[in-house]
Amino acid sequence: NAGVTQTPKFRILKIGQSMTLQCAQDMNHNYMYWYRQDPGMGLKLIYYSVGAGITDKGEVPNGYNVSRSTTEDFPLRLELAAPSQTSVYFCASSYVSREQFFGPGTRLTVL
Amino acid sequence: KNEVEQSPQNLTAQEGEFITINCSYSVGISALHWLQQHPGGGIVSLFMLSSGKKKHGRLIATINIQEKHSSLHITASHPRDSAVYICAVEYGNKLVFGAGTILRVKS
Repeated sequence: NAGVTQTPKFRILKIGQSMTLQCAQDMNHNYMYWYRQDPGMGLKLIYYSVGAGITDKGEVPNGYNVSRSTTEDFPLRLELAAPSQTSVYFCASSYVSREQFFGPGTRLTVL
Repeated sequence: KNEVEQSPQNLTAQEGEFITINCSYSVGISALHWLQQHPGGGIVSLFMLSSGKKKHGRLIATINIQEKHSSLHITASHPRDSAVYICAVEYGNKLVFGAGTILRVKS
C-alpha cells in the first residue's frame, strides 16, 4: 500500500493564482482531512470528509474548497492565493475513531 | 472550543535520560492522540488512547480523564527520538492539536 500520497511536494504561487493540492489514499478509509501547519502553531483543520460526496468545514476553511467524488481522492482547491496561505499542507485519512495516517505534506509559498 | 496545551515547548536531553511531555485540554474528549513529526516533516501516529495507559517499545502514554491530562514518556532516550511530539484531542470526528514539543536528544 502507498498509504496517503500528496502532490505536489513544493509549489510557489503568485498572489491571485489558483491551484489544486492532490491527496489520495489506498486504505479504503472513509474519513479524510486537510490540515495546514504554520511555524510554531499546531495543525489546523481546513476541511474534512466522512465519505464520498460528504464534506464539511473545519476551523480555517476560508479561501479553500474541497470535493470528495471517490473514497480514494480528496483534492483541496485554493482560489485567489494570498500570502496568508503560505503554509505546509497535510492530508490525512482514517477509519472512524481510529488513528490518522498522514501524507508527506505540500509546502506552499505565495508571493 | 477545546484548548490543548503542551509543555514544555522545547526540551533538550542527554542520551539515556527519561523524558516526559505533558498535555492538558479543556473540555471532554472521546480520545487523545500522540503523534511524532520527524525532522523531515512526516507525521506518524504513536498512540490513541481514551483511558489508562499504553506502551510501545520505549514509549509510554498515559491519560487521566478526570484531570484532563495526558503524558508521553520516553525511556532510555536516544538521538533518533529527536522530533516534534504533538498531542491532539478528538471530539466530534475532528482533532484539535497542541503546538508541539520540540525534543532534542544529545549523544
